[in-house]
Amino acid sequence: DTEVTQTPKHLVMGMTNKKSLKCEQHMGHRAMYWYKQKAKKPPELMFVYSYEKLSINESVPSRFSPECPNSSLLNLHLHALQPEDSALYLCASSQDQKPIDTQYFGPGTRLTVL
Amino acid sequence: AQTVTQSQPEMSVQEAETVTLSCTYDTSENNYYLFWYKQPPSRQMILVIRQEAYKQQNATENRFSVNFQKAAKSFSLKISDSQLGDTAMYFCAFSNTGNQFYFGTGTSLTVIP
Repeated sequence: DTEVTQTPKHLVMGMTNKKSLKCEQHMGHRAMYWYKQKAKKPPELMFVYSYEKLSINESVPSRFSPECPNSSLLNLHLHALQPEDSALYLCASSQDQKPIDTQYFGPGTRLTVL
Repeated sequence: AQTVTQSQPEMSVQEAETVTLSCTYDTSENNYYLFWYKQPPSRQMILVIRQEAYKQQNATENRFSVNFQKAAKSFSLKISDSQLGDTAMYFCAFSNTGNQFYFGTGTSLTVIP
């Protein structure tokens, strides 16, 4: 099973809402990633978890809050977002956080902030 | 800082023909890894091929091959016998021993029937 799943597929939220994105993998991978991708642009790394600990935080605003409850799950909690946060949010996982490791991507959550 | 440049924002190729996508990168490191990822329209991003910088032999995966020129810091992707399913955004990517990972700006490839 080389699948990374993400829910929901689409999300529309107001600027005062609180919502969460969910990512799940059952490949036994120990590194998990959140990316933000605008249309026709490359993904931008937001956070990396390695062995359930936050390894990298790319200076992301605090209105985005990641959580890794266990080695298979990764959440991204959203609060007080801005319209410019509308984007495709991608989750990925890899065997480890080694530079050679292939990242496996989920299909993404299309987020619209009104 | 590392940078990855893809100078061709858009390309097209006739079905069954061969196309080459360009990628250059900038690094002062000697040991690193290079990747090509494919993102089809509304579908998941997947790895196409990867190359370890310390290996001189160019990587190949079926119809996909790379031309890795370490001195020139160039890592191009050749797609042979192009198929309609090859239509996608292609991202070149770089990772180093410091666990930094960078995507290039992407090339949108359209395969024309």
